Amino acid sequence: GAVVSQHPSRVICKSGTSVKIECRSLDFQATTMFWYRQFPKQSLMLMATSNEGSKATYEQGVEKDKFLINHASLTLSTLTVTSAHPEDSSFYICSASPSGPPQYFGPGTRLTVL
Amino acid sequence: DQQVKQNSPSLSVQEGRISILNCDYTNSMFDYFLWYKKYPAEGPTFLISISSIKDKNEDGRFTVFLNKSAKHLSLHIVPSQPGDSAVYFCAASWEGAQKLVFGQGTRLTINP
Repeated sequence: GAVVSQHPSRVICKSGTSVKIECRSLDFQATTMFWYRQFPKQSLMLMATSNEGSKATYEQGVEKDKFLINHASLTLSTLTVTSAHPEDSSFYICSASPSGPPQYFGPGTRLTVL
Repeated sequence: DQQVKQNSPSLSVQEGRISILNCDYTNSMFDYFLWYKKYPAEGPTFLISISSIKDKNEDGRFTVFLNKSAKHLSLHIVPSQPGDSAVYFCAASWEGAQKLVFGQGTRLTINP
């Protein structure tokens, strides 16, 4: 149990375009999901907490207008990187939990912005 | 401000021996600690956790030790196997919060 999926696993886009990444909890409902970003050889940095039916909570330094989060249902959260630039290239990972820790992570999405 | 620190970026251990990964934290509000294993281009996989009311938790080959006074925890893997080669992240959380604070990770290599 506690399976989290992400789609797409890999995306390449041109600078200036927007990219949407989906995170789904497959066998449980999640009122809260989390979005992380990992740079090469670095730790996972929490970007935002996605709350079902309400606005996301962003960590300090994360541009909420650039990284739009929508948690439309108890099994789906989406992260949209708007007007993507090469510096947004990274590995984006979501996580969720049926109830409290531990968090279960999706397989991640590799974004490359040309 | 790095609240969770893994000071060893890498560790190399011979197959069959014990692997010991260390983690230090600074925030005394943390009361729940987790270890995750991560392969390249994949999401982290949960390994084992420990609550602050305990000082040891064991699951098969994995044991986590918590020393609250030293704000230190460690993950022991014994015996180490080639499939254990990965990056290991220590993470911490606190009561009422679901979000995790991660350490920088330690790359473990198990040599045959």
